Amino acid sequence: GAVVSQHPSWVICKSGTSVKIECRSLDFQATTMFWYRQFPKQSLMLMATSNEGSKATYEQGVEKDKFLINHASLTLSTLTVTSAHPEDSSFYICSARDSGRGTGELFFGEGSRLTVL
Amino acid sequence: GENVEQHPSTLSVQEGDSAVIKCTYSDSASNYFPWYKQELGKRPQLIIDIRSNVGEKKDQRIAVTLNKTAKHFSLHITETQPEDSAVYFCAASDSGYSTLTFGKGTMLLVSP
Repeated sequence: GAVVSQHPSWVICKSGTSVKIECRSLDFQATTMFWYRQFPKQSLMLMATSNEGSKATYEQGVEKDKFLINHASLTLSTLTVTSAHPEDSSFYICSARDSGRGTGELFFGEGSRLTVL
Repeated sequence: GENVEQHPSTLSVQEGDSAVIKCTYSDSASNYFPWYKQELGKRPQLIIDIRSNVGEKKDQRIAVTLNKTAKHFSLHITETQPEDSAVYFCAASDSGYSTLTFGKGTMLLVSP
């Protein structure tokens, strides 16, 4: 299947600092990538849709200035958690579709576990 | 927008038994219904999906059924094994290139 790689897998940071998470499609191009957040024992909640070359589309309740998304190329989207606080601690997962396959399958990255101290 | 309800939230079965997880959706325009399996601390992985022009799909021990009239779809796992233990998520989308709305997940525990 198509491969989506996410980095870093784990990150621990101090409150008030910013953290950048990268999401790459390794063997296909993705004009759109999706960022999800998952709290322990809960479902995947869509945060935003990242669009190559244009602004991301954020879901209701997600702060645009808090969660900065950049989709500068067809294979890379980044999520920056700015001025992180303990309540931002969560599992962040990106995903993308391989439009060349013509299926609806969503491929997920490995996820990034953020812990804010 | 789409709303996906999933039941049960937890399901415990003995090895060899069958497991059934059910989902309902609200948007009649939805036509793509995947099921994902997520092991602890790992990424969700697609196990099976179905489109609205099909009523049932099977892949070895896994099957999915879809009732568009009633707006519900179900995952059936037969001859369960301990390695089937994981969280299963259903999802719905109005097209293959739209956002997916996920159910809340079902934690399946298969006891040896």
